[in-house]
Amino acid sequence: QKEVEQNSGPLSVPEGAIASLNCTYSDRGSQSFFWYRQYSGKSPELIMSIYSNGDKEDGRFTAQLNKASQYVSLLIRDSQPSDSATYLCAVNIIPRGGADGLTFGKGTHLIIQP
Amino acid sequence: SQTIHQWPATLVQPVGSPLSLECTVEGTSNPNLYWYRQAAGRGLQLLFYSVGIGQISSEVPQNLSASRPQDRQFILSSKKLLLSDSGFYLCAWSELTNTEAFFGQGTRLTVV
Repeated sequence: QKEVEQNSGPLSVPEGAIASLNCTYSDRGSQSFFWYRQYSGKSPELIMSIYSNGDKEDGRFTAQLNKASQYVSLLIRDSQPSDSATYLCAVNIIPRGGADGLTFGKGTHLIIQP
Repeated sequence: SQTIHQWPATLVQPVGSPLSLECTVEGTSNPNLYWYRQAAGRGLQLLFYSVGIGQISSEVPQNLSASRPQDRQFILSSKKLLLSDSGFYLCAWSELTNTEAFFGQGTRLTVV
């Protein structure tokens, strides 16, 4: 059974600090990994995608993937109050014969304290 | 650029009434389409996905159904709503299998 686990939080981080969000997944066949940001009452918004082991940087965001440990993380540098949201980790696997939707974690609620 | 439209934004329906939510995608051809539900305090749950017209796969057996009458149109339906059908319904699309998905604005459904 596909599972994606995240600490629900809340994770409280002071403004300007680094926020570190973690995610583990159960399916070793997983090939694609995504981080979404969801503001309260809104739909998820894609922040980062990562497909290979290592780090991927995009502005203040860095995604880290370790397939051997089945672990993916998101670092947010210079955290801003506008980064306060729920961050969803999502995982996909190579489908057998057709498309397969993403499996989401329940999300980590991040609070950036001014 | 690609855009996804989903409506209505909010909906209040009595128990036992029918449901029809619609989603359309612009700017791409033959997208993979998905319906997710997010219940209060719970994660996103995949309900249906489609790789082409008339091709629907269901992830969770329930009183909901989905249809894809046109390439870029995806519809979620129910004949009789239950209280447990309340939630935030999200349509999403992806260009290729195993790639990122993009979400519509969502429909907040309250069954009373």
